[in-house]
Amino acid sequence: DAGITQSPRHKVTETGTPVTLRCHQTENHRYMYWYRQDPGHGLRLIHYSYGVKDTDKGEVSDGYSVSRSKTEDFLLTLESATSSQTSVYFCAIRDGGAEAFFGQGTRLTVV
Amino acid sequence: GIQVEQSPPDLILQEGANSTLRCNFSDSVNNLQWFHQNPWGQLINLFYIPSGTKQNGRLSATTVATERYSLLYISSSQTTDSGVYFCAVPNTGTASKLTFGTGTRLQVTL
Repeated sequence: DAGITQSPRHKVTETGTPVTLRCHQTENHRYMYWYRQDPGHGLRLIHYSYGVKDTDKGEVSDGYSVSRSKTEDFLLTLESATSSQTSVYFCAIRDGGAEAFFGQGTRLTVV
Repeated sequence: GIQVEQSPPDLILQEGANSTLRCNFSDSVNNLQWFHQNPWGQLINLFYIPSGTKQNGRLSATTVATERYSLLYISSSQTTDSGVYFCAVPNTGTASKLTFGTGTRLQVTL
């Protein structure tokens, strides 16, 4: 298995609170991605990173921010969680144009 | 951006049957991946297949990049094959962001 770990695996939070999800890799891959998975939509890209401190928006970035201060860690922050952000979040890594690997996912519920 | 369509959306098979899942994409790509999402939600890499055919046990995949489609074949299906199958292709530009199809949900029954 690719060395990629997401934490926490499950979280329930209240509307309006900040939440940070962590993705940690041991592969030293350059690219890291955050996706969300919702019924009827498949997986959609939130943000991605192409190096330390180099990040960019995906197709569903509103309400999310990211940071990558080290190669191995990519953080996804919901500044003020809303019910529409209830979802399963996946982190992925890849090296150049090669195969992408996904973490085990984080199930987030905003109540 | 690139569009990815998968068919059929749902499929029910009896154990031992064969099936073909299709992935169409709207633009030229230089690679394509197939994933299996098991009932526990884990995304498992099946194939990384820019073109041609690859086989892994009872599963094989063929990508015809010039015609913008890929096929995933499952032979002698087993109940453990149940889940959702996704194909994903990279957008052009840096970072090769993957765009996913909406998946084929497969249920294999006894």
